[in-house]
Amino acid sequence: DAGVTQSPTHLIKTRGQQVTLRCSPKSGHDTVSWYQQALGQGPQFIFQYYEEEERQRGNFPDRFSGHQFPNYSSELNVNALLLGDSALYLCASSLERRSRQPSYEQYFGPGTRLTVT
Amino acid sequence: RKEVEQDPGPFNVPEGATVAFNCTYSNSASQSFFWYRQDCRKEPKLLMSVYSSGNEDGRFTAQLNRASQYISLLIRDSKLSDSATYLCVARDYGGSQGNLIFGKGTKLSVKP
Repeated sequence: DAGVTQSPTHLIKTRGQQVTLRCSPKSGHDTVSWYQQALGQGPQFIFQYYEEEERQRGNFPDRFSGHQFPNYSSELNVNALLLGDSALYLCASSLERRSRQPSYEQYFGPGTRLTVT
Repeated sequence: RKEVEQDPGPFNVPEGATVAFNCTYSNSASQSFFWYRQDCRKEPKLLMSVYSSGNEDGRFTAQLNRASQYISLLIRDSKLSDSATYLCVARDYGGSQGNLIFGKGTKLSVKP
């Protein structure tokens, strides 16, 4: 049973650049959520994708955008990177629709550690 | 006010001790609650879901008090391998599924 995978594991970018992070959900899951975790903090919700559409969004600027593909995998894009964007970016997957008993429990991938210099 | 607040910790306890973590949430509409465990530089891993009156899983017991908007996690007979950060989580009902609202976490260190 394949778990949530993310790529790359680490990334170093400079201010102003753009970055794309990728996530494949746990096998059988159809919903992907993205979180940002700064050092010493709990993860903060960025947005959630379901049926290839952004369904919910947290308090993040439009520089943060995403996409979900027909195979349920997802990308997170961040434009015009700022130093404050340095964090661990976590993808979590869950099952909503493809079962009579949807599971709202979210399972996290290993994360992508982004450093902006 | 933070939506989910936890004891800041760190908690340093000897092996075999019983340790309790406390958490409060501000959104009375929250319906589902979880405890996640996060090891250093790793992803959060689901430890327990907490529904209705709470539940128990081996050495771990989670309690929910909706009237007080309070959640707790009790670890009995703590092991060295229990050392980690414990994250209290409420599921927000902003959408049809809701996103997770995390506390800052409480660090636990179990010593020999």
